[in-house]
Amino acid sequence: EPEVTQTPSHQVTQMGQEVILRCVPISNHLYFYWYRQILGQKVEFLVSFYNNEISEKSEIFDDQFSVERPDGSNFTLKIRSTKLEDSAMYFCASKTGTESGNTIYFGEGSWLTVV
Amino acid sequence: SQQGEEDPQALSIQEGENATMNCSYKTSINNLQWYRQNSGRGLVHLILIRSNEREKHSGRLRVTLDTSKKSSSLLITASRAADTASYFCATKSGGSNYKLTFGKGTLLTVNP
Repeated sequence: EPEVTQTPSHQVTQMGQEVILRCVPISNHLYFYWYRQILGQKVEFLVSFYNNEISEKSEIFDDQFSVERPDGSNFTLKIRSTKLEDSAMYFCASKTGTESGNTIYFGEGSWLTVV
Repeated sequence: SQQGEEDPQALSIQEGENATMNCSYKTSINNLQWYRQNSGRGLVHLILIRSNEREKHSGRLRVTLDTSKKSSSLLITASRAADTASYFCATKSGGSNYKLTFGKGTLLTVNP
């Protein structure tokens, strides 16, 4: 079964450093997402991306965050200057563009630890 | 309370028993999805139920949706130790074409 893949699975970074998390969505999907889950808390929406632009973002997704689809397969989340509170599991997700394709498929996540 | 609140927060049962988890939400929705998460792992999609559906089955899973009460339930029948995980409901509202709003989840422990 096709799946969303994410790299790295775990990254430890110094506060203030830039981090790029990478995702390969399912190949025929058109909508892409990033969510995050701070340890022990809810999964929170960060941003959605469609047709090469951000379609919606949450208040968490401030100027420190950016997303990019640099080629036909990768979808990246960049955190420009990491803070301790950015430590979380980051999930990439995708879905088709069809009316019936409402299921959003998630990757295994990237654990980010900021020290 | 917030959109997508599951109860109970934790549930411990014996293998072979049925497990029922509930989810309540506040605003109107287009659909509601249930996900499973093993500790430290990704979110696995279990089942999606649309706002015009009342019940849906998939294998040992049964999901109900009551839009008048703004609630859903997930029933896992004949549970197995491998069903041990956190279970989340996530709602997609009409106000957004894109995002899911998750609850805090129910931690299910199935004892062998």
